[in-house]
Amino acid sequence: AQSVSQHNHHVILSEAASLELGCNYSYGGTVNLFWYVQYPGQHLQLLLKYFSGDPLVKGIKGFEAEFIKSKFSFNLRKPSVQWSDTAEYFCAVNGAGGGADGLTFGKGTHLIIQP
Amino acid sequence: DGGITQSPKYLFRKEGQNVTLSCEQNLNHDAMYWYRQDPGQGLRLIYYSQIVNDFQKGDIAEGYSVSREKKESFPLTVTSAQKNPTAFYLCASSVAFRAGTDTQYFGPGTRLTVL
Repeated sequence: AQSVSQHNHHVILSEAASLELGCNYSYGGTVNLFWYVQYPGQHLQLLLKYFSGDPLVKGIKGFEAEFIKSKFSFNLRKPSVQWSDTAEYFCAVNGAGGGADGLTFGKGTHLIIQP
Repeated sequence: DGGITQSPKYLFRKEGQNVTLSCEQNLNHDAMYWYRQDPGQGLRLIYYSQIVNDFQKGDIAEGYSVSREKKESFPLTVTSAQKNPTAFYLCASSVAFRAGTDTQYFGPGTRLTVL
């Protein structure tokens, strides 16, 4: 069975600091990888996804993530965070080549940006 | 205005009662999903449906039931057999169930509280 591990459950940063949220997954085959964000009071929405090609993917709002296959990792990064980035961030995975099940999510990282 | 609607936003239930959560989408998506979100637990898949009149159990289907009689609707029933039903329930949809690369779009959620 696949699983996703997010290392930090709570992160507090000051504005303009750099961000890296860790995500490791466990799966025996080819995977598709996603980062979703849940802003306070809003729907869960997609930040970025990777399913093939360039392992460095860029998403909305200046976020990017790098897929490192050898490390089973898909860490999320942003060079300079803003107060509006305060949200809960979820890493998710599903198996490629069939999509036989839904997404497996990590437990989430609650990010707080202090002005 | 396209999207996914869930109703009600808040739902209270007495122990021993069944309750049905509504999910409707006007995105013309084939696939629909139900997830449960608990604090510090991330999202867990309850049921999913690839096409009308077909659905599959997810990771935590016990105590839940679904139907998919129409493409746009995927209601979830929380039965009295569900031992710990208090949670936030999210419905999602995606274009199709191909290879898992399609983005899942999420509704606003229903918060169920058992009294």
